[in-house]
Amino acid sequence: DIHMTQSPSSVSASIGDRVTITCRASQGISSWLAWYQQKPGKPPNLLIYTASTLQSGVPSRFSGSGSGSDFTLTISSLQPEDFATYYCQQANSFPFTFGPGTKVEIK
Amino acid sequence: VHLVESGGDLVQPGRSLRLSCTVSGLSFADKSMSWFRQAPGKGLEWLSFIRSTPYGGTTEYAASVRGRFTISRDDSKSIAYLEMNSLKTEDTAVYYCARGLYDSSGYFDSWGQGTLVTVSS
Repeated sequence: DIHMTQSPSSVSASIGDRVTITCRASQGISSWLAWYQQKPGKPPNLLIYTASTLQSGVPSRFSGSGSGSDFTLTISSLQPEDFATYYCQQANSFPFTFGPGTKVEIK
Repeated sequence: VHLVESGGDLVQPGRSLRLSCTVSGLSFADKSMSWFRQAPGKGLEWLSFIRSTPYGGTTEYAASVRGRFTISRDDSKSIAYLEMNSLKTEDTAVYYCARGLYDSSGYFDSWGQGTLVTVSS
C-alpha cells in the first residue's frame, strides 16, 4: 500500500496569509494526487486532481503542484471560509489512501 | 442534494447492514462509485470501488473490509450499495458514498452527506 504523509498536521494563519501544505507518498505516484477540503460535519470537497488541475468551481487562490512523491497545496490568500482540514489522496493504485490531514486554524 | 446515503444504524457486533447511495440529478451509469468512512475524530478511509458497467462493473476493496463488505450498483435506479457483514466495533464511523470524476477515476467530485453506522453491544 502507498502511505501518504502530510505536514504540518496543523497550521495557524491569518486572513490574507499564504498557506502551504505538503504531502508525500511512500513511492512515486506520478501526478495521481487529489486534494480535498473538509469542514466539520460535512463531506470532503474535491479541490484539485491530477496534482494541479483545479476542480470546477474552486476558487483560483487554491493551487497544487508536484509529481512523483512530493506535492504541495497552496492557498495564496487565506479567506474565512478556508478554515478547514485538508487531505491529500493518492489515486495511483488500489487501495486509495489519504494523508492524515492538515487542519488550518485561525490565528 | 445529489447523493443521499441511507441505511446507517446501531447494530450489534457480528450483524449485517446494507447501505444505499441514491444519486439524482447527476449521471450515474457511466461513472465509478466508491464508499469511504470516517471514524469519530479521525481521517478518511477508502473502502471500496465499483467501475461503471461499460468498464466491466468490477470491484476493489480495502484489506480492512475485503471478504466482509460487498459493493454493488443498480444503474436502472441510480443506486450504489454497500453490504456489510460480520460488523466489528471498529467499523463504527460515518460512511460516505462518492461518485468518480470520470469512469475508473480515483478522484471523487460528488459526495453524500454521510450515514452513521454504530457497532456496539
